[in-house]
Amino acid sequence: DQQVKQNSPSLSVQEGRISILNCDYTNSMFDYFLWYKKYPAEGPTFLISISSIKDKNEDGRFTVFLNKSAKHLSLHIVPSQPGDSAVYFCAASARSSNTGKLIFGQGTTLQVKP
Amino acid sequence: NAGVMQNPRHLVRRRGQEARLRCSPMKGHSHVYWYRQLPEEGLKFMVYLQKENIIDESGMPKERFSAEFPKEGPSILRIQQVVRGDSAAYFCASSPQRTGSNNEKLFFGSGTQLSVL
Repeated sequence: DQQVKQNSPSLSVQEGRISILNCDYTNSMFDYFLWYKKYPAEGPTFLISISSIKDKNEDGRFTVFLNKSAKHLSLHIVPSQPGDSAVYFCAASARSSNTGKLIFGQGTTLQVKP
Repeated sequence: NAGVMQNPRHLVRRRGQEARLRCSPMKGHSHVYWYRQLPEEGLKFMVYLQKENIIDESGMPKERFSAEFPKEGPSILRIQQVVRGDSAAYFCASSPQRTGSNNEKLFFGSGTQLSVL
């Protein structure tokens, strides 16, 4: 039962253009969402997060949008840079649970071409 | 402030042997999560521990897998009688509080790549 889904395994964009990574979730109890970035042979690193009380959070070139009615979130990277090439995971948690464990999507591999 | 430290980075075991994976959380962090990433898949939650307590082990296989986080020392993920299907990257993550509370996030180690021959 995949509660968090990233339906695009890969995405390729040109340097300087916008990258849009998508994520869907099924559990309506999820109220905290995060994006992580992962380079090969390294652990995931935190990128940006959003609480369900918001619909947008921005940090520099990275913006996360949350559409609660559609159970959908997206990560926008603009402008995209070659160093952004990595695997991006979205994750969700239900803060009301006693663990708050993060449930991850399958990941999207982003390639930014110079 | 050192990050989450995992060792070894690579571990090779033959079928039937035991694998012990270690994780030292960031200083000041008392919450540890273990995740597994199978080839071409995402990160799957395995277990959540606080010092000396297992809080949630709903993602752990029922047999052969165990985890601990003693009062002193690193957290240990132990896999007994390994099989080829256990080959994966195992990631440990830590946080100062339960993730989600006060918008806490997880800090991950670099992982241990387990290969079972």
